[in-house]
Amino acid sequence: DAKTTQPPSMDCAEGRAANLPCNHSTISGNEYVYWYRQIHSQGPQYIIHGLKNNETNEMASLIITEDRKSSTLILPHATLRDTAVYYCIVRVATGGAGGTSYGKLTFGQGTILTVHP
Amino acid sequence: DGGITQSPKYLFRKEGQNVTLSCEQNLNHDAMYWYRQDPGQGLRLIYYSQIVNDFQKGDIAEGYSVSREKKESFPLTVTSAQKNPTAFYLCASRGGRERGREGYTFGSGTRLTVV
Repeated sequence: DAKTTQPPSMDCAEGRAANLPCNHSTISGNEYVYWYRQIHSQGPQYIIHGLKNNETNEMASLIITEDRKSSTLILPHATLRDTAVYYCIVRVATGGAGGTSYGKLTFGQGTILTVHP
Repeated sequence: DGGITQSPKYLFRKEGQNVTLSCEQNLNHDAMYWYRQDPGQGLRLIYYSQIVNDFQKGDIAEGYSVSREKKESFPLTVTSAQKNPTAFYLCASRGGRERGREGYTFGSGTRLTVV
């Protein structure tokens, strides 16, 4: 799986957009970009994933550059409850429990996002 | 609602003792995983299982053992051979694609402390 680089920490004011960057310059053509977040002392929570097109769901938007070497997770209106560690992961997606990947998630140290009033 | 249940939430162990962490899922997922997390660090894979009665070592399997006798259950035993067992342990499962998402679900974790 490709290595990712994220800033160790970021701050954001409540109600403003939080833009979390991730560099993945060695990403392969069949690797997806995934974002998870982990609130203190809880298990990671899936946020969003994408291959090359921008994606949006009820939690966030994912913007992937045209060369796919970097991406940005956008929380459009950050709240205090969005304070967490955000992990950017790149890996091959599988359609089920089989396939060529056993589904391991390689987590780096992530970005600590602090949303303040 | 479907999900993963880890128990207990907090666990204290004396040095030299084995201890077993429970992980149960009712999501009908085939694949299950155990990760370890140390303070300020990312997750590291201990063991994984893609199907019942089969499991494989992850990156840091030494001092740990698992079993997968039932699809729903993937218990992790921390043995006395694990030299630094104090950590936060997370169990996860993965099924097929669900409405476009990958299908990973994590439990709420067990915090193990050696006293």
